[in-house]
Amino acid sequence: GQQVMQIPQYQHVQEGEDFTTYCNSSTTLSNIQWYKQRPGGHPVFLIQLVKSGEVKKQKRLTFQFGEAKKNSSLHITATQTTDVGTYFCAVNDMRFGAGTRLTVKP
Amino acid sequence: DTGVSQDPRHKITKRGQNVTFRCDPISEHNRLYWYRQTLGQGPEFLTYFQNEAQLEKSRLLSDRFSAERPKGSFSTLEIQRTEQGDSAMYLCASSPGQRPYEQYFGPGTRLTVT
Repeated sequence: GQQVMQIPQYQHVQEGEDFTTYCNSSTTLSNIQWYKQRPGGHPVFLIQLVKSGEVKKQKRLTFQFGEAKKNSSLHITATQTTDVGTYFCAVNDMRFGAGTRLTVKP
Repeated sequence: DTGVSQDPRHKITKRGQNVTFRCDPISEHNRLYWYRQTLGQGPEFLTYFQNEAQLEKSRLLSDRFSAERPKGSFSTLEIQRTEQGDSAMYLCASSPGQRPYEQYFGPGTRLTVT
């Protein structure tokens, strides 16, 4: 079945530092979605990437889809305490990675 | 609130008992998904519906699990002869019937099997 790896598993940063999480697949993807789950909450949709090499931005968040459509990244510039949570990628609509848990020290 | 709702929010049951969970999706959404999530893991896909048709079911899902969406609106997930390993958060999500199929999740039903 579809295998998707997310790294790192955990990331602890000082407020103001940048953060990046990566999602890697062994096969070519038709699309990739990113979700955020706050502690005690449910996943919330952030964005979908479809095109090879696509880059999308949402304020301090930058999402990128690899040229080969096998990997993706989410980069947060100047983290804030409100960014705390677990970031998941989901491939081909329904297969979620294990997530990267972000903690931010004020 | 017009979001996805799930009932009950918590369920404690004894091993061997049957349980049923309900999900009410956002009203105009055609797709409905069921996931299971354990601590520290991402949502694990169980099954999904397009309207009333069940289009895909995870091969990891044993035959003790069954899901229905009889009228293309709400859905139920039943687990028969529960086992301790079934303890998890069961999440339901719905999405519109066209791309990008962004999923809106409900608050989940937390199942504890004792």
